[in-house]
Amino acid sequence: EVQLVESGGGLVNPGGSLRLSCAASGFTFTIAWMSWVRQAPGKGLECVGRIKTTAEGGTTDYAAPVKGRFTVSRDDSKNTLYLQMNSLKTEDTAVYYCTTSAPFFNYWGQGVLVTVSS
Amino acid sequence: DIVMTQSPDSLAVSLGERATINCKSSQSVFSSSDNKNYLAWYQHKPGQPPKLLIYWASTRESGVPDRFSGSGSGIDFTLTISSLQAEDVAVYYCQQYYAPPPTFGPGTKVDIK
Repeated sequence: EVQLVESGGGLVNPGGSLRLSCAASGFTFTIAWMSWVRQAPGKGLECVGRIKTTAEGGTTDYAAPVKGRFTVSRDDSKNTLYLQMNSLKTEDTAVYYCTTSAPFFNYWGQGVLVTVSS
Repeated sequence: DIVMTQSPDSLAVSLGERATINCKSSQSVFSSSDNKNYLAWYQHKPGQPPKLLIYWASTRESGVPDRFSGSGSGIDFTLTISSLQAEDVAVYYCQQYYAPPPTFGPGTKVDIK
C-alpha cells in the first residue's frame, strides 16, 4: 500500500523558514517523480514544485510565486521528499500535500498545515 | 505557464441526473509524439486529499466508478458524471501535465439540487 506521510508544518513568522518532509513507502521511491501541491484557505490547488528522479539528475521545476524561495529535494536512501521554504509570506499559508507524479498526481498524502502569521 | 479555466464555477444537479464540467487550456496539451492528451481530473472533498479520477483525458483510474468519464482533445475537455450520487458532492479540478509547471483549473463545485 502506498503511503505518503507529511510532517514539519506549523506556525511561522513572515520572512521565516520551514522545512516539510514526506516519508514515502509502498512503492519504489527512487524511480518516482515527486511533487508538492498546496491549497490556500478558500483557494484551489497549486503545484509549487516537482522533482525528477536522481537518475534523471533530480531536476526541479517550480511555480512562479515560489521560485527562488522554495526548494524541493529528495533523499532516496531515506525514501523521503523535502520542501525547504524560505522568506515565507502570509500568502504561503496553506495545506501542503506530498504527491507522486506519474506524471499526473496519482497518490497523495493527508497534507500538513503551514500558517504564516505574526 | 499553461492557464487552465473551468466552467461553470459551480453547479447543482438532482440525484441521478447528469453533471457536466468543462475545462479549457490556454494552449494544446495534446502530444503528437505519443498521441495523448496530458490532462487529468481530480475530485476534492473537504478534509481529504484530492483523488485522481481520470488521466490521459479519458482513462479512468482504478476503482473510480464508471459514472465518471472524461472526453476532449487539444484545448477543450469535459468531465461527465452520468448519474450524480450523494457521495459525488465535491470540488472537481482539471490539471495539465503537458508542460512544467503542472497547473490546475480553478475548480468546479458540484452540489445536490
